[in-house]
Amino acid sequence: DTGVSQDPRHKITKRGQNVTFRCDPISEHNRLYWYRQTLGQGPEFLTYFQNEAQLEKSRLLSDRFSAERPKGSFSTLEIQRTEQGDSAMYLCASSLGHGANYGYTFGSGTRLTVV
Amino acid sequence: EDQVTQSPEALRLQEGESSSLNCSYTVSGLRGLFWYRQDPGKGPEFLFTLYSAGEEKEKERLKATLTKKESFLHITAPKPEDSATYLCAVQAEETSYDKVIFGPGTSLSVIP
Repeated sequence: DTGVSQDPRHKITKRGQNVTFRCDPISEHNRLYWYRQTLGQGPEFLTYFQNEAQLEKSRLLSDRFSAERPKGSFSTLEIQRTEQGDSAMYLCASSLGHGANYGYTFGSGTRLTVV
Repeated sequence: EDQVTQSPEALRLQEGESSSLNCSYTVSGLRGLFWYRQDPGKGPEFLFTLYSAGEEKEKERLKATLTKKESFLHITAPKPEDSATYLCAVQAEETSYDKVIFGPGTSLSVIP
């Protein structure tokens, strides 16, 4: 297992288009997290899954955002009708058990640019 | 509102020049405080978890300490490969076990 994989690494899209990102966590990790990071800021929590159940969503996650984790394996994050304010690095992380106790393993992120 | 601040925003050190990074937090009750390292274009890498005031953790040239209101990341005799952004994060008692709040980070540059 080579860690958490995210695809694509970079995405440039026009305002109003839909985009989807994929995250493949470490296989034995049951928890999966999505964070968003803008330049000069720390990651901001978006949502997390325990197995296939989405257990918490941030108020940052507007109705244009949806995340899924079918069968408790990989996860997708979709943004509909993208806006320039959505430009950011989208980070996925996974953990075994409570992330705080064991530490999150982050992927390298997907950098989204909305033009 | 739970909040994490870090200082300085950026720090430039000569190789071998020891220093400390600060993380101040405001939470109603602290369940845990975490330090991560982030290299440009990569996701954060977990370093330490601290749970209670007085606790210390060490890893190579890094030592993290915790008080009731802040944490310090001490860097002893840094090397250029220690250059990175160091992120502090907290988990508050009133939040779920899986929600962690990150600070903005300190960008460290170590000059040979």
